[in-house]
Amino acid sequence: KAGVTQTPRYLIKTRGQQVTLSCSPISGHRSVSWYQQTPGQGLQFLFEYFSETQRNKGNFPGRFSGRQFSNSRSEMNVSTLELGDSALYLCATRTSGGPEETQYFGPGTRLLVL
Amino acid sequence: GQNIDQPTEMTATEGAIVQINCTYQTSGFNGLFWYQQHAGEAPTFLSYNVLDGLEEKGRFSSFLSRSKGYSYLLLKELQMKDSASYLCAVLTSGGSYIPTFGRGTSLIVHP
Repeated sequence: KAGVTQTPRYLIKTRGQQVTLSCSPISGHRSVSWYQQTPGQGLQFLFEYFSETQRNKGNFPGRFSGRQFSNSRSEMNVSTLELGDSALYLCATRTSGGPEETQYFGPGTRLLVL
Repeated sequence: GQNIDQPTEMTATEGAIVQINCTYQTSGFNGLFWYQQHAGEAPTFLSYNVLDGLEEKGRFSSFLSRSKGYSYLLLKELQMKDSASYLCAVLTSGGSYIPTFGRGTSLIVHP
């Protein structure tokens, strides 16, 4: 099976711009979660999508949004970028089940905001 | 709120045993994960504990004590490739899947 893929892998933006990141899950995985990883805050949960609906949400401002398509691919959007949004954005996917289910991470998108 | 503590950095010698501790204070508990993350790479799953006790998987074992809010990851027969960051993550209960991660423990294995 192909693994989780994320595009683009690297991105440079300026303050005030917006950005869209993409995540393609492992075949058969219907849950996609997004995380932000920074040296200062570590790995933080953004939100989870399942069957095109946001199922869980972390504690991030409304500038961070996402969606999921019928083929389970997901996109994450950050509007009005701030310097502090510079981070590694990871998505992780799993089939659908309970909390014990293993999630598989993609390689991440490294975003630099200037 | 959630609070998860892990040591920032540990060093060990190739072939030795190392124990990485994780303590947590959360509102509700629905399991604890350990992940390994090599520099510049994505985290990979190591273990999941929801009941008290020790789970062994090859060279890696994970222990949980829910009453103490404590877990550890035990790595035996250390290899150079075990140099990585080890992340402890707690799932809170309530029907939602929102993992809270510790800051990670950077393990350096030297010859």
